Amino acid sequence: DTAVSQTPKYLVTQMGNDKSIKCEQNLGHDTMYWYKQDSKKFLKIMFSYNNKELIINETVPNRFSPKSPDKAHLNLHINSLELGDSAVYFCASSQWGHNTGELFFGEGSRLTVL
Amino acid sequence: AQKVTQAQTEISVVEKEDVTLDCVYETRDTTYYLFWYKQPPSGELVFLIRRNSFDEQNEISGRYSWNFQKSTSSFNFTITASQVVDSAVYFCALVIQGAQKLVFGQGTRLTINP
Repeated sequence: DTAVSQTPKYLVTQMGNDKSIKCEQNLGHDTMYWYKQDSKKFLKIMFSYNNKELIINETVPNRFSPKSPDKAHLNLHINSLELGDSAVYFCASSQWGHNTGELFFGEGSRLTVL
Repeated sequence: AQKVTQAQTEISVVEKEDVTLDCVYETRDTTYYLFWYKQPPSGELVFLIRRNSFDEQNEISGRYSWNFQKSTSSFNFTITASQVVDSAVYFCALVIQGAQKLVFGQGTRLTINP
């Protein structure tokens, strides 16, 4: 079983559309994250949720809205997509307070905005 | 603020050569953790190692070894007798105790040529 799974793996869409990426983890972790990897491979945190509560919200346009229905899921909804949103989005999970920082990543979702 | 610098953007070596990937970090905190992740061409992020700030012992795992030196704020990664399968982008990362926000370096693209 995949520990952290994201869907879809690839997403091609037009500018202005709204899209969602889903993430689920079966590791029993209480903290989940979204990271963005740009075309230069730079990885930057976007959001972090601990037990369904938002704890990290980096400088991200409010067109990006994370939703955590339970601690095993963290979805990312993006409104009014722009060309600059094209990137690979990684979901990750960890157990707060234990093995600090050891994140388990999903396989990534490559978003292409045309 | 925390910062991780991987000055080598790209490295290309011939198979069986040894190669060292440099990582320099900045933090004012005394308790922190350092990581290396591997991102092969398939795109997933693979955890390689975690080291806490109080443990400066070098670590060896097969052909991989890590040299942590607090005096120079460096956490370098050496691959001995490199193989084509080692070709990937390697990321060094840092998190301070309790922060759960992993800060990544820019990554080093390593190409091992046959």
